[in-house]
Amino acid sequence: NAGVMQNPRHLVRRRGQEARLRCSPMKGHSHVYWYRQLPEEGLKFMVYLQKENIIDESGMPKERFSAEFPKEGPSILRIQQVVRGDSAAYFCASSPEGTGPLHFGNGTRLTVT
Amino acid sequence: QKEVEQDPGPLSVPEGAIVSLNCTYSNSAFQYFMWYRQYSRKGPELLMYTYSSGNKEDGRFTAQVDKSSKYISLFIRDSQPSDSATYLCAMPKGGATNKLIFGTGTLLAVQP
Repeated sequence: NAGVMQNPRHLVRRRGQEARLRCSPMKGHSHVYWYRQLPEEGLKFMVYLQKENIIDESGMPKERFSAEFPKEGPSILRIQQVVRGDSAAYFCASSPEGTGPLHFGNGTRLTVT
Repeated sequence: QKEVEQDPGPLSVPEGAIVSLNCTYSNSAFQYFMWYRQYSRKGPELLMYTYSSGNKEDGRFTAQVDKSSKYISLFIRDSQPSDSATYLCAMPKGGATNKLIFGTGTLLAVQP
């Protein structure tokens, strides 16, 4: 009975490197959401995806960030040329429909050195 | 002004106490209100989900919504050390969607 699986749990990158965060939604869930939690701040919506489609990316920074949810495999959040300000916990959540309870993973903690 | 405001705490109470956690919001269009609990180093888990004004009870937890004051509360009765966590209020932006706006969370510590 696996929940939302995120990996890696911890990721350390040097400035300028790329970070790839993976999320496998709960079984039967086709809606995936990415949220970012910065220190001393609440969770902030980044992007909403369905299989092969980006539905809403209004919370994504305009540059360096991208997300995908391919037909096969996990959803990927990609951050190119990371900077120190990207250090945060990134949470993925899934739901069976576009509404209804969100089930969160335990996050990936990205540290940029 | 933030759309959702929440006192960050920390809030420390003795075991068995009644805990009151609160959020205020600015957008009168919000209709759905949620409370999530987040243990350290874990993802948030949904505790309570309410629609419009009124009260909703689930075991030791009661969620209360006052839309006229734009104020929501979560009460925990007979608090336990296992309730020690960060509590986050959340509201969907734009009706019943999962694009949520979260408060910053209140850190609760229940002392045995």
